[in-house]
Amino acid sequence: GAVVSQHPSRVICKSGTSVKIECRSLDFQATTMFWYRQFPKKSLMLMATSNEGSKATYEQGVEKDKFLINHASLTLSTLTVTSAHPEDSSFYICSAGAGSQRGRTDTQYFGPGTRLTVL
Amino acid sequence: DQQVKQNSPSLSVQEGRISILNCDYTNSMFDYFLWYKKYPAEGPTFLISISSIKDKNEDGRFTVFLNKSAKHLSLHIVPSQPGDSAVYFCAASYTGTASKLTFGTGTRLQVTL
Repeated sequence: GAVVSQHPSRVICKSGTSVKIECRSLDFQATTMFWYRQFPKKSLMLMATSNEGSKATYEQGVEKDKFLINHASLTLSTLTVTSAHPEDSSFYICSAGAGSQRGRTDTQYFGPGTRLTVL
Repeated sequence: DQQVKQNSPSLSVQEGRISILNCDYTNSMFDYFLWYKKYPAEGPTFLISISSIKDKNEDGRFTVFLNKSAKHLSLHIVPSQPGDSAVYFCAASYTGTASKLTFGTGTRLQVTL
């Protein structure tokens, strides 16, 4: 249980294009989803918190116009990297809060991640 | 400001022995702690958690200990298995932060034969 999927797992795009990454909770409803970025040999950096039906809350230093987040339903959140540049190349991971049916909402279940490479 | 710290970047343990991974935190408002295991190019996998009202939680081979006065938690894996080789992250959160997790920097565990 508590499975989170991400699509695509890997994407290569040209500089200046936009890329959309999907995050789905497969067997539970997630009112809150989170988007992280991981740099090589570093910890996970929280980019934004996404709540279903409302605007995402971005962490300090994260450009909201560059990283567009949509949480259209209780099982789907999307991250769109707009006008991607090589410095946006990274490993992006989403997570979903499992909600009270699985205990404390603080327990986040993570997707497998998406490797973005911008040429 | 690193509020959650894992001071050992790596640890090597023989198969069958106990692995002890440590984590320290500075924010006394944290009231929920989690351990995640991560393989390269994959998302973290939830292992075990503990609330601040407890000092120990056990799940199979995994036990987490919490020492609130020292602001320290540890993950014990016994017996260690080669499949346990991965990077382990501790994370913390507190009520009222919309479930935001603060992660440590990770400890790479290598279980040798």
